Amino acid sequence: DAGVIQSPRHEVTEMGQEVTLRCKPISGHNSLFWYRQTMMRGLELLIYFNNNVPIDDSGMPEDRFSAKMPNASFSTLKIQPSEPRDSAVYFCASSLGFSGNTIYFGEGSWLTVV
Amino acid sequence: AQSVSQHNHHVILSEAASLELGCNYSYGGTVNLFWYVQYPGQHLQLLLKYFSGDPLVKGIKGFEAEFIKSKFSFNLRKPSVQWSDTAEYFCAVNPSGGSQGNLIFGKGTKLSVKP
Repeated sequence: DAGVIQSPRHEVTEMGQEVTLRCKPISGHNSLFWYRQTMMRGLELLIYFNNNVPIDDSGMPEDRFSAKMPNASFSTLKIQPSEPRDSAVYFCASSLGFSGNTIYFGEGSWLTVV
Repeated sequence: AQSVSQHNHHVILSEAASLELGCNYSYGGTVNLFWYVQYPGQHLQLLLKYFSGDPLVKGIKGFEAEFIKSKFSFNLRKPSVQWSDTAEYFCAVNPSGGSQGNLIFGKGTKLSVKP
């Protein structure tokens, strides 16, 4: 199994630019999660989907952030416009089923906004 | 609000020392509990999990954790650490049977093992 695949692994962008992070969950998994990790705030859940439908987006910090899951094998997290405080590692994760099942993480997208 | 507290931000041990990392959660209902490990520059990997049954859970690499319901705790232990255990350890809670599918993470504990 290829695991959760994220791209890009690293991105450096200028303030104001649009950033799109991509995720391919583990095949057969029907729940997908986007987390953000920073030194100050630790791991925070941004949004999660079940069967391609957003279930809870209360963790999305601002309207600048948006996430989509057009099909079971692909999701995007977009930041527009990006700001330096968005610099973080963004993890995508997936699981089979819903509450209580093991969540598997991707290797993360390291974003730096200058 | 649900929260997970990890008592130690950074723990430094010598090889062969015993390890115990504390984790407490605030959720009052039934929970599923997890410990994840993040090696430097890598993604989170599952160490062990507790859903029900025996409160002493054994995971990979010699780690174990004990769920004490009365104390809302799920401490991670290892009798003898190795240099390769240097990593950050995250405790996480998921309310089982509810409408939530997400994990609530603690802030993490960095473990540094001196050779």
